[in-house]
Amino acid sequence: AQKVTQTQTSISVVEKTTVTMDCVYETRDSSYFLFWYKQTASGEIVFLIRQDSYKKENATVGHYSLNFQKPKSSIGLIITATQIEDSAVYFCAMRGINTNTGKLTFGDGTVLTVKP
Amino acid sequence: DAGVTQTPRHEVAEKGQTIILKCEPVSGHNDLFWYRQTKIQGLELLSYFRSKSLMEDGGAFKDRFKAEMLNSSFSTLKIQPTEPKDSAVYLCASSLEGSYEQYFGPGTRLTVL
Repeated sequence: AQKVTQTQTSISVVEKTTVTMDCVYETRDSSYFLFWYKQTASGEIVFLIRQDSYKKENATVGHYSLNFQKPKSSIGLIITATQIEDSAVYFCAMRGINTNTGKLTFGDGTVLTVKP
Repeated sequence: DAGVTQTPRHEVAEKGQTIILKCEPVSGHNDLFWYRQTKIQGLELLSYFRSKSLMEDGGAFKDRFKAEMLNSSFSTLKIQPTEPKDSAVYLCASSLEGSYEQYFGPGTRLTVL
């Protein structure tokens, strides 16, 4: 069984700064995908970024990037130049590659508040 | 492309009623998921379909929850009978088999009185 843990319940930062959100995972799969999703105040859940476990390069999309440390089973989300509208709940999730299922395992989420 | 759509956006039911929530996945997606989200339990998987076949039926939800895929572009979640503890946001998501990212609908907020 897979497990995803987000230890930070909430984080508060000043806009235009950089924030890192932590996520650690457990899996017996040799290959897997790791994801970050954002849930806005309206409840909308949006896919942000994905890391493939077999890739050494950290994924980057816009002002989101990942800090993938496979030996530590860790996948941190880095948001640079934060904006007020980045305030949301951020979920880390994973799934195995070599499984006949699209099911994701989610963490409990981290609330990010970006202040002016 | 249209995203995942869910109706209704809000539902209020009396205890014991039957309610049906609806979901239309992204066109061409063949994986469909129903989740329940509460502050205490977080995101819980209720059902998972691949190409209209039920792949997983969340064990704790089997007795009163039934999800169906009537065709590749339409799914329903029936809760019968409703209980106050069912008050939550119900989310539908879809993905392409092999694509791995799930795309979520806006959710239905259910309140059971």
